[in-house]
This record gives sequence, C-alpha cells and structure tokens, in this order.
Amino acid sequence: GESVGLHLPTLSVQEGDNSIINCAYSNSASDYFIWYKQESGKGPQFIIDIRSNMDKRQGQRVTVLLNKTVKHLSLQIAATQPGDSAVYFCAEKGTASKLTFGTGTRLQVTL
Amino acid sequence: DGGITQSPKYLFRKEGQNVTLSCEQNLNHDAMYWYRQDPGQGLRLIYYSQIVNDFQKGDIAEGYSVSREKKESFPLTVTSAQKNPTAFYLCASSIVGTGSYEQYFGPGTRLTVT
Repeated sequence: GESVGLHLPTLSVQEGDNSIINCAYSNSASDYFIWYKQESGKGPQFIIDIRSNMDKRQGQRVTVLLNKTVKHLSLQIAATQPGDSAVYFCAEKGTASKLTFGTGTRLQVTL
Repeated sequence: DGGITQSPKYLFRKEGQNVTLSCEQNLNHDAMYWYRQDPGQGLRLIYYSQIVNDFQKGDIAEGYSVSREKKESFPLTVTSAQKNPTAFYLCASSIVGTGSYEQYFGPGTRLTVT
C-alpha cells in the first residue's frame, strides 16, 4: 500500500540557519505532494505543493525538492525563525482526492 | 470571512456515550474529510465525502459514522464502539476537479473520553 515517512522525528536548528526536512514516499505513481505546518493544538496549514513533473518549487523562504529516482521529498526553510517551530508533515496524493500523511518532523528553533 | 470551523474545541465524554463533532465550511468546497491525530503521530483518515449524500470509509472508519446532508456540513459521530476515542480530530475540505489537492483544515476538536 501507499506510505509516506520521514527520516528524522525531531530537528533542532539555530535561528537564522537553514532547515531541511526530509520525507520518503513509497508509491512511485504518486503525482502530487504537499507540505503542511502544524503548530501545537492547531490544524495543519498549507506551506507548498509540487507535482511530479517538477523537481523544484519555491515559495516565500521555502523550497520543495522532489527526487523521483529515489522517491524522496524535502522541504527547505531559509533563515529559520522562531515562528517556524512546529511539526511539519509531507503528504502524497492517493486515490480520488485523498492525501496520505507522514508521521511528521518536529522543528525546534533555538535562539 | 471564508473558512472551516469545528466545534467545540474541547469535548469531554464518559465511556459508552456517543458524541458528535461538528464541521462546517463556507468555502463552497465539494469534498470534506475527517482525520484522527494521536499524540506524536500523523493524520489518519476516518471518512471522506466528495459530494453531498455520498461518503466513503477511510483507513480507520470502525466505530465512527458520518453524514453529508448539506454541502457545508460534515458531522462526525464517535460511537461507543470506538475502542480508543480519545484523540485530536481534524476536519478538512477541498475543491474537486481543478487539479488542486490542497486540503484546508479546521482548528480541530480535542475529545477526551473517560
């Protein structure tokens, strides 16, 4: 079946440094991926998405990279700020409009 | 002010009681979803609906029921058959048919059953 997982459960980064959050997926037929940010006690918020016909997509301070050869997805956050502290989830599109979520990586920003 | 709302934010129930969680959206989205989140874990799909009067089971539907009588509303009932109902419940909605699969999430309901 489909599965989405993350390499690191917790990532600690100093304020101002760049963060890289990784995600592995298993369904080579997946054609759409999405990153969400979830702050404690709140619902997930959309960060950025990417389709399988792209290798890279940039947003404001964030970049998503997709390597289909090794089925790997990463989220890069530039100049990490304390407000970036949260749990980050990757998800892949499954059948219909469903998304399959990974277990999440907690990003801790230290001052 | 468009969005998706869930109520209440916190809910406490005694074991053996059914409880219904509310989810309303005014985004005019066709699809709606219910997820369960346990501490330190990802989101698991309970039920989803792509159109009014139709819904499908997700990965963990046992002990839950839903209805979709209106486009704006997708209530979730946690029945007494759900063995471990204490969790954080998230509702989401999305557009269908545009090629965008972004789901918009509500603020969640934390259910505690004792």
